[in-house]
Amino acid sequence: DIQMTQSPSSLSASVGDRVIITCRASQTISSFLNWYQQKPGKAPNLLIYAASSLQRGVPSRFSGSGSGTDFTLTISSLQVEDSATYYCQQSYNTPGTFGQGTKVEIK
Amino acid sequence: EVQLVQSGAEVKKPGESLKISCQGSGYSFTTYWIAWVRQMPGKGLEWMGIIYPGDSDTRYSPSFQGQVTISADKSINTVYLQWSSLKVSDIAMYYCARPKQQLVRDDAFDLWGQGTMVTVSS
Repeated sequence: DIQMTQSPSSLSASVGDRVIITCRASQTISSFLNWYQQKPGKAPNLLIYAASSLQRGVPSRFSGSGSGTDFTLTISSLQVEDSATYYCQQSYNTPGTFGQGTKVEIK
Repeated sequence: EVQLVQSGAEVKKPGESLKISCQGSGYSFTTYWIAWVRQMPGKGLEWMGIIYPGDSDTRYSPSFQGQVTISADKSINTVYLQWSSLKVSDIAMYYCARPKQQLVRDDAFDLWGQGTMVTVSS
């Protein structure tokens, strides 16, 4: 299985801050990398697919970049409603492993 | 409306069997794979396995192979996840999820069920 490692595991930032979450794959996965947001008690919600494509309906303050083994999710201006846990997931092959998650809190 | 609707919460005893379901509607059910994802309390997401309802082609994560069985009944647009003998360690929320693209197994999941909570307690 491909291992996905996210950092940091958690962070606290203020409204309006730029937030960057990183995800590293244990082998090259081209651009087959997806990002999800999960709020407590809710199913995950797809934010970014294919490393940098914004899912329909997702605010433009979310963006993704990277290819190969290293990827980032950026929130350009953190909002209160962005408080959540974020997961990366590789869809290069089966099983489509997830990272361990990054919890984002608002200061 | 395009949606996946899962069966309700379950409370079982260790050693009991269980089958939970995920019913799709509003789209061509037989041409999209459906995956199951586990989330243990306070933990992250784990990809368990995936099935193509059109022909029941199924793949499992090595971590879950032999521990659960995934099946489908395309006549009622439903996918199942079942256990023959539950353990306390099976306590978790289980989600079904659908890839973005028809016919593509390895893809982002853009449609999720609401989750089914499974509790195992003596």
